[in-house]
Amino acid sequence: NAGVMQNPRHLVRRRGQEARLRCSPMKGHSHVYWYRQLPEEGLKFMVYLQKENIIDESGMPKERFSAEFPKEGPSILRIQQVVRGDSAAYFCASSPRGVGGKNIQYFGAGTRLSVL
Amino acid sequence: GQQLNQSPQSMFIQEGEDVSMNCTSSSIFNTWLWYKQEPGEGPVLLIALYKAGELTSNGRLTAQFGITRKDSFLNISASIPSDVGIYFCASPRGGSNYKLTFGKGTLLTVNP
Repeated sequence: NAGVMQNPRHLVRRRGQEARLRCSPMKGHSHVYWYRQLPEEGLKFMVYLQKENIIDESGMPKERFSAEFPKEGPSILRIQQVVRGDSAAYFCASSPRGVGGKNIQYFGAGTRLSVL
Repeated sequence: GQQLNQSPQSMFIQEGEDVSMNCTSSSIFNTWLWYKQEPGEGPVLLIALYKAGELTSNGRLTAQFGITRKDSFLNISASIPSDVGIYFCASPRGGSNYKLTFGKGTLLTVNP
């Protein structure tokens, strides 16, 4: 009964490199959410996706960040030209339902990104 | 705005003690969620509350949705060492049911 799977668990990048974070939702879930957590902070919403669609990206920085959830394969959060301020834990969540009704989100263990 | 203020920021207690923490906001919310996060892991949902005044238990945990809809509390009875972690309140914001806002968390340490 696999939960939300994120990989890698830890990612180290140098400034200017690209970071790709992957998320496979729970079986049967077609709604995926990405959150970012800075040290000693709560999680902050970034983006909500369904298969092949971005539903809400209001929490995504305007530049360098993008997300996708293709028809096949995991959801990807991509950060181009990383800077030190991108260092954080990135969490993916999935839910069986989206907009409307009770939306229970199940979180993965996160990817901890360190930018040197 | 729609910030969630959690208190206390941290707690150091002895095993067996009861714990109470709360979450307040200046805005009205329709849902209150309580999550626990252990080191190196993602948040795990403990209790979900959907109605003002609702009181819900999950084992030794009890949470209530305040009648003003601006606050919620979480109680843990007879704490044990594995209760250690950060407890977050969260609620959907911005008119959505999916865009969760999280408080900054209460760090709980339990001394055996």
